[in-house]
Amino acid sequence: QVQLVQSGAEVKKPGSSVKVSCKASGGTFSSYTISWVRQAPGQGLEWMGRIIPILGIANYAQKFQGRVTITADKSTSTAYMELSSLRSEDTAVYYCARGILDYGGNAPFDPWGQGTLVTVSS
Amino acid sequence: DIVMTQSPDSLAVSLGERATINCKSSQSVLYSSNNKNYLAWYQQKPGQPPKLLIYWASTRESGVPDRFSGSGSGTDFTLTISSLQAEDVAVYYCQQYYSTHPFGQGTRLEIK
Repeated sequence: QVQLVQSGAEVKKPGSSVKVSCKASGGTFSSYTISWVRQAPGQGLEWMGRIIPILGIANYAQKFQGRVTITADKSTSTAYMELSSLRSEDTAVYYCARGILDYGGNAPFDPWGQGTLVTVSS
Repeated sequence: DIVMTQSPDSLAVSLGERATINCKSSQSVLYSSNNKNYLAWYQQKPGQPPKLLIYWASTRESGVPDRFSGSGSGTDFTLTISSLQAEDVAVYYCQQYYSTHPFGQGTRLEIK
């Protein structure tokens, strides 16, 4: 049973960048998509983008184009999400999640990581 | 981009009664080549990540109680809880995964 374990909480200044990691254990990593979803306090879920590690190809939601970079390291079964030019509105819990179909098929998400709180404050 | 809109935003139902949540997509999520609807439902409880309940619009994820069911096709979908239990109090989200993966805004389900 695959598990996704994310890095710990971060506090960042406006204008800076944050990089969150998501390590998979107990299952196949490379052939499944890893997506990143964020949730601002008291708000809904917002899909940011995804990567297919075996191909190294990422695609992003239009809203985050140019500001988010999703990468993956197959050797350590770890995916990363880096968000730049942070502003207060980026304060949120950031989740990684794996698609349920392998080889890049468009698929819903299961499992999810535990979430990483990123706080942007001066 | 496809936009997902849920209704209602919140819902209060008595224990043992039926709860119905609707989800409408701005474009069809039915893929003609495999006749599948790329629509999922999730349940989220406070302080937890979302949990996948249903995918392909009507396929229940393993371990999900059979009181949860999904229906619909094309642009209009429904999540039904046939007999509400106390543990079903949560926020429910629909999601399309046909192209990008947007979520609906969520529906908060409470006990009346």
